[in-house]
Amino acid sequence: DIQMTQSPSTLSASVGDRVTITCRASQSISSWLAWYQQKPGKAPKLLIYKASSLESGVPSRFSGSGSGTEFTLTISSLQPDDFATYYCQQYNSYSFTFGPGTKVDIK
Amino acid sequence: QVQLQESGPGLVKPSQTLSLTCTVSGGSISSGGYYWSWIRQHPGKGLEWIGYIYYSGSTYYNPSLKSRVTISVDTSKNQFSLKLSSVTAADTAVYYCARVYPNPYYYGSGYFDYWGQGTLVTVSS
Repeated sequence: DIQMTQSPSTLSASVGDRVTITCRASQSISSWLAWYQQKPGKAPKLLIYKASSLESGVPSRFSGSGSGTEFTLTISSLQPDDFATYYCQQYNSYSFTFGPGTKVDIK
Repeated sequence: QVQLQESGPGLVKPSQTLSLTCTVSGGSISSGGYYWSWIRQHPGKGLEWIGYIYYSGSTYYNPSLKSRVTISVDTSKNQFSLKLSSVTAADTAVYYCARVYPNPYYYGSGYFDYWGQGTLVTVSS
């Protein structure tokens, strides 16, 4: 099974900061990676698919990059609405595996 | 705009069967092209994929839950359902239904583009 890790587990940042979250896969997943944002009490929301493709309606301050085993989600200028938990998910293999999440909170 | 809505009991007794239904609107399950999935999230924890179904009825389950999970589809009602048997307190979680946009190169996987709001199921006597 492909395992996913994320770092950091928690990130404290201020409005306007550039934020980067890293996701690593235990084996190559090409570009078959998605990123989600989840706010308390809400369902996850798709942000990025195929590692770098922005889902329709998602602000352009979100971007994704990487391939193989290492991926990043970048928020270019953190906004108040962006404080949330972010999950990566691989869809390379015949399974669905999520990372453990990165919580972005207010510094 | 596709919308999904979970429904079912919020409280289930230990050893019984958890049953949830997801009603899809704004799109037809029978039109094909997508998988329909269940995912759960234990309180304060991460996301765990449970399984999915295709409109034809073909299914694939998380191996760790496979022995207890059944997912079925009713295309006439545009619904799909989850049954999880022999539940324990460890099955207490928020259960989400979601649509899977398939990986075009790897059959059986994909990403989740539409989600229901989730429903909390507590297992307790």
